[in-house]
Amino acid sequence: KQEVTQIPAALSVPEGENLVLNCSFTDSAIYNLQWFRQDPGKGLTSLLLIQSSQREQTSGRLNASLDKSSGRSTLYIAASQPGDSATYLCASSNTDKLIFGTGTRLQVFP
Amino acid sequence: DTGVSQDPRHKITKRGQNVTFRCDPISEHNRLYWYRQTLGQGPEFLTYFQNEAQLEKSRLLSDRFSAERPKGSFSTLEIQRTEQGDSAMYLCASSSAVGEGNEQFFGPGTRLTVL
Repeated sequence: KQEVTQIPAALSVPEGENLVLNCSFTDSAIYNLQWFRQDPGKGLTSLLLIQSSQREQTSGRLNASLDKSSGRSTLYIAASQPGDSATYLCASSNTDKLIFGTGTRLQVFP
Repeated sequence: DTGVSQDPRHKITKRGQNVTFRCDPISEHNRLYWYRQTLGQGPEFLTYFQNEAQLEKSRLLSDRFSAERPKGSFSTLEIQRTEQGDSAMYLCASSSAVGEGNEQFFGPGTRLTVL
């Protein structure tokens, strides 16, 4: 059974810092890995999807990497801003359902 | 099409009542998923459809829960005889064919509170 873990559970940083959020999964036979952002009381916004054949994906200040052999993915946020404050969730997929971690709650203060 | 929509956004009900939620996926997406999220946790899979066929149901989906997707378009999730433990955010997502990476796009959710 796939288990997804995210570390740290919470993070508070000053504006401008570069950040790394970690995601690990127990079963390397994944189809893809997806990173989401969730604002309080809201739905999920898809940030990046990395297919199993890919190593990384980039979108603006975000970069996500995938290492299937070690069961790890990282989300790198460059030059963080207060508007980045949210919960970040990673989820692995075996072609249908997503298995989520419990998220990293990020606060970026001015 | 602006994305996945869900209705209602909030529902407060008394224990024992039945509730029904609706999800409208992105129009060209053939897969539709339901997840449940409780406070401080990541979403948990409930069930999914490919077109009108319900292909998988989680053990979380007790016999009080039923989901339908008539004609492969919108979907409804009904909870009968609600219990306080059903209080959660119910999220719907949709995706296109698996060959495109199966990226799932989520709606805003329906927040259920059972008193």
